[in-house]
Amino acid sequence: GAVVSQHPSWVICKSGTSVKIECRSLDFQATTMFWYRQFPKQSLMLMATSNEGSKATYEQGVEKDKFLINHASLTLSTLTVTSAHPEDSSFYICSASPENHGELFFGEGSRLTVL
Amino acid sequence: SQQGEEDPQALSIQEGENATMNCSYKTSINNLQWYRQNSGRGLVHLILIRSNEREKHSGRLRVTLDTSKKSSSLLITASRAADTASYFCATDALGSGSRLTFGEGTQLTVNP
Repeated sequence: GAVVSQHPSWVICKSGTSVKIECRSLDFQATTMFWYRQFPKQSLMLMATSNEGSKATYEQGVEKDKFLINHASLTLSTLTVTSAHPEDSSFYICSASPENHGELFFGEGSRLTVL
Repeated sequence: SQQGEEDPQALSIQEGENATMNCSYKTSINNLQWYRQNSGRGLVHLILIRSNEREKHSGRLRVTLDTSKKSSSLLITASRAADTASYFCATDALGSGSRLTFGEGTQLTVNP
């Protein structure tokens, strides 16, 4: 199957700093990628849809100025958590699909811990 | 977005037994997918069933879909300890642009 890679797999940062997480589709092009957040023992919550060459679409309740998304190429989307706080500590997962309404492939996730 | 519901939330069985997990959702869908997640890892796609399909098999997995009841079930036959994981259903709603809505998940423990 298609491969989606995330980096870093884990990151620890101090409160107030910004952290960038990358999501790459390794063997296919993705005009759309999705960013999810997962708190411990909970399900995945969609944060935003990343669209290549245009602005991301954020889900209700997700601050776009807090979670900056850039999808500059057909194989790379980045999520930047700005001015991170302890409550932003979570597991962030991206996904992409080679086709519309098809199987979504997920990255391995990035665990963010904000001290 | 509204999340789907899965039951049971947790299931503990012995190796060799079958495991059945159920998922309900609220909207009309293009397809429904089941994913597996090992603790602290990403999601692994198990099976996709389209809205016009009623049943699908893949190895030891059997998925059913009842669009009239807006529900799906995942059956794992002859379970193994390695099947221990969280299982999530996810729906691709009509008009959603491939945005998936995940159920709450079932934590399956298979005891050797």
